[in-house]
Amino acid sequence: EVQLVESGGGLVQPGRSLRLSCAASGFTFSSYWMHWVRQAPGKGLVWVSRINSDESSTTYADSVKGRFTISRDNAKNTLYLQMNSLRAEDTAVYYCARGGSQIQLGYWGQGTLVTVSS
Amino acid sequence: DIVMTQTPLSSPVTLGQPASISCRSSQSLVHSDGNTYLSWLQQRPGQPPRLLIYQISNRFSGVPDRFSGSGAGTDFTLKISRVEAEDVGVYYCMQATQFPYTFGQGTKLEIK
Repeated sequence: EVQLVESGGGLVQPGRSLRLSCAASGFTFSSYWMHWVRQAPGKGLVWVSRINSDESSTTYADSVKGRFTISRDNAKNTLYLQMNSLRAEDTAVYYCARGGSQIQLGYWGQGTLVTVSS
Repeated sequence: DIVMTQTPLSSPVTLGQPASISCRSSQSLVHSDGNTYLSWLQQRPGQPPRLLIYQISNRFSGVPDRFSGSGAGTDFTLKISRVEAEDVGVYYCMQATQFPYTFGQGTKLEIK
């Protein structure tokens, strides 16, 4: 069974940093692209970033480019999102999701809440 | 960025009756590989999103056959043949043809 479990969320002050993790199991992690998607409270879904299977290629939404860094450790079956210079508008539930060549975002974690506030 | 526009934004439906949600993209979703990466996701209250349909009309694993997708180019539709109580939630269309992936605003399905 595919499982994705996010962690690392919490309350952080504006301008500070936070690193999210997503532990994957039930599939060959190193074979799949992985994504981060976020959802502000009461709002819709917004794609944040993706990384290919061997970490050679990454893509970011303009709203986080230069501040967020996606990475992965295939030996640990874990996806990361390093978030720097956090802003109030980054407040959201952050989901990791599995990509695929034919089926995009087929599996999602339960999400981790990031609140940016002083 | 490709803009995804859903209609309606709210859909009150009677149990057992059909429901339909439309999604229009600001440009064609046909990828250079010939596929059209248009998906539909369901988000039940308090739950993460769940993939229902990928590449316009393919049901994802475990999705009941009362859900179906259709369309081409820039116009797409999700249909529920007979709405059940567990179908309550918000439905999103999503394009994965071009980065950044983009989602529709969401359509809230409620029971009358």
